[in-house]
Amino acid sequence: SAVISQKPSRDICQRGTSLTIQCQVDSQVTMMFWYRQQPGQSLTLIATANQGSEATYESGFVIDKFPISRPNLTFSTLTVSNMSPEDSSIYLCSVEYYGYTFGSGTRLTVV
Amino acid sequence: GESVGLHLPTLSVQEGDNSIINCAYSNSASDYFIWYKQESGKGPQFIIDIRSNMDKRQGQRVTVLLNKTVKHLSLQIAATQPGDSAVYFCAENKSNAGGTSYGKLTFGQGTILTVHP
Repeated sequence: SAVISQKPSRDICQRGTSLTIQCQVDSQVTMMFWYRQQPGQSLTLIATANQGSEATYESGFVIDKFPISRPNLTFSTLTVSNMSPEDSSIYLCSVEYYGYTFGSGTRLTVV
Repeated sequence: GESVGLHLPTLSVQEGDNSIINCAYSNSASDYFIWYKQESGKGPQFIIDIRSNMDKRQGQRVTVLLNKTVKHLSLQIAATQPGDSAVYFCAENKSNAGGTSYGKLTFGQGTILTVHP
């Protein structure tokens, strides 16, 4: 399976600002996924990011709020834009490479 | 849309007991299922998986059972240890006609397992 490095591991941000989360994979992968895990809840898929094409967003998530970049087969970023306290969550990237692997997550607190 | 849910949100057991965590899924087209363990401050960690052409699969101290008739999945942990304390999630995936994955996983609600020494 792949090894994922995700950063930052945590951050505290002011409302109205934006945070970009980075996900680096040690293998070339076609699909990368971004999930949100709200406090005490399960994981919800935000979007699927394929290299060379625009990300595909799930219902309830829009590109203006969660822009995603996928410049190559080993890297992706998720930006949480114009943050509000409701965006406080853990954000996780995941890849499918001989199994589904997850990063350690970014714990975001918006104040 | 499709969803995967759990019967029990919390489970407390004594060290050495066997644990059973359940999951119900609603998408009969799902053909691949995974159990994850998530410890505090970490991402989900793969435990075991099973495809729909099987009804049982065993790993080290863990067994996954799949009942497609009632769309039910369970994870059995033998001789539960304090280190097994975590949140456990089931997840489902649906392959396309060619047998390759659609990629995205749908997660269940999660069960908090607490193991008392």
